[in-house]
Amino acid sequence: GDSVTQMEGPVTLSEEAFLTINCTYTATGYPSLFWYVQYPGEGLQLLLKATKADDKGSNKGFEATYRKETTSFHLEKGSVQVSDSAVYFCALSEPGYNKLIFGAGTRLAVHP
Amino acid sequence: SQTIHQWPATLVQPVGSPLSLECTVEGTSNPNLYWYRQAAGRGLQLLFYSVGIGQISSEVPQNLSASRPQDRQFILSSKKLLLSDSGFYLCAWSEGLAGKETQYFGPGTRLLVL
Repeated sequence: GDSVTQMEGPVTLSEEAFLTINCTYTATGYPSLFWYVQYPGEGLQLLLKATKADDKGSNKGFEATYRKETTSFHLEKGSVQVSDSAVYFCALSEPGYNKLIFGAGTRLAVHP
Repeated sequence: SQTIHQWPATLVQPVGSPLSLECTVEGTSNPNLYWYRQAAGRGLQLLFYSVGIGQISSEVPQNLSASRPQDRQFILSSKKLLLSDSGFYLCAWSEGLAGKETQYFGPGTRLLVL
């Protein structure tokens, strides 16, 4: 079945450091890919998404490119801030199926 | 604009007691609705989804049930809670199927069963 694998956390960075959170997926079709973010004590918010191969999703300085050849959707940000501290979830959804499949989440802690 | 509400925000219940969590969506019609559970330190697991009033699909056999009595209302219930029901419960909605549509999440309900 479909699945999403994320790098284990926590990831601890200093402010202004470069961020990469790896995400790979297994899917039978051509899924849409998502990154969601969960700030402490809150629900999930969509951060970015890509719906086909080679699409790049971007938002708030974060980027991720849909790589079909490597089945990956790594999240990157050039310079993180303390306010980026949160749990980040990679997810996929197959067209015609009514659910998101989430990775286990990666906790990011950014220190001043 | 659309908003999604969940209540209560936090709940502490004894084992064997009943449960009712409510989710409502405003600003949209005929949304797809979802219940997820997030256990401590783990990812999200889809529990139920609904494409219309009275239509419920269960993803995981368990001690919980869901109902959709109105277009924009989704209720998660249990007759007798188990310790393993503890977790963070998230309601979400989307327009159309989740295949390409973004899901929008509520603030969540933190449930602790003692």
